[in-house]
Amino acid sequence: QQKVQQSPESLSVPEGGMASFNCTSSDRNFQYFWWYRQHSGEGPKALMSIFSDGDKKEGRFTAHLNKASLHVSLHIRDSQPSDSALYFCAAYNYAQGLTFGLGTRVSVFP
Amino acid sequence: EAAVTQSPRNKVAVTGGKVTLSCNQTNNHNNMYWYRQDTGHGLRLIHYSYGAGSTEKGDIPDGYKASRPSQENFSLILELATPSQTSVYFCASGDAGLSGNTLYFGEGSRLIVV
Repeated sequence: QQKVQQSPESLSVPEGGMASFNCTSSDRNFQYFWWYRQHSGEGPKALMSIFSDGDKKEGRFTAHLNKASLHVSLHIRDSQPSDSALYFCAAYNYAQGLTFGLGTRVSVFP
Repeated sequence: EAAVTQSPRNKVAVTGGKVTLSCNQTNNHNNMYWYRQDTGHGLRLIHYSYGAGSTEKGDIPDGYKASRPSQENFSLILELATPSQTSVYFCASGDAGLSGNTLYFGEGSRLIVV
């Protein structure tokens, strides 16, 4: 069973709109969560990390963590064509390192 | 920004042949990793290293060997390549901290085994 599950698998959002997607872990050993973004033909790049309950905002990106339910979400405000990419959630603990989900593919259309 | 360089970027190999994928990082990171990416499986960890001379098995090590001869270089070796090893391979480097581990990935090596 996938320890880090992401939903939806894909979504389309109009330019200027809000993109929102989710990540859930089934393992309470995970202490920290990361979001990585991968554009087509490139390697993944770290977007942001979140360790505490609540929201963390970086520019147009806001991550939300609920530690009790091990649920993380990422919201992209004012989506741009350059935001079209595969977004990975990754959960971390010291013993296992990073475990990645399968990703959510975001397409921003004009 | 951290720089991780992989070679070759594209490779076609024959079944049963030997393939070596190379990775170089210029960031003086202790930890290096090899992942493969396949549709429906995401990123899966093959081998990793804590420093020169060390290699550890990840989640899917079967059919792969790794070598870390120096801080900068980490290689993935397929002694007897099989078609099931057709994939995109990513190398990454990073340093673990108390709050996690930012990984810096290379651009990937696309391997096709025929």
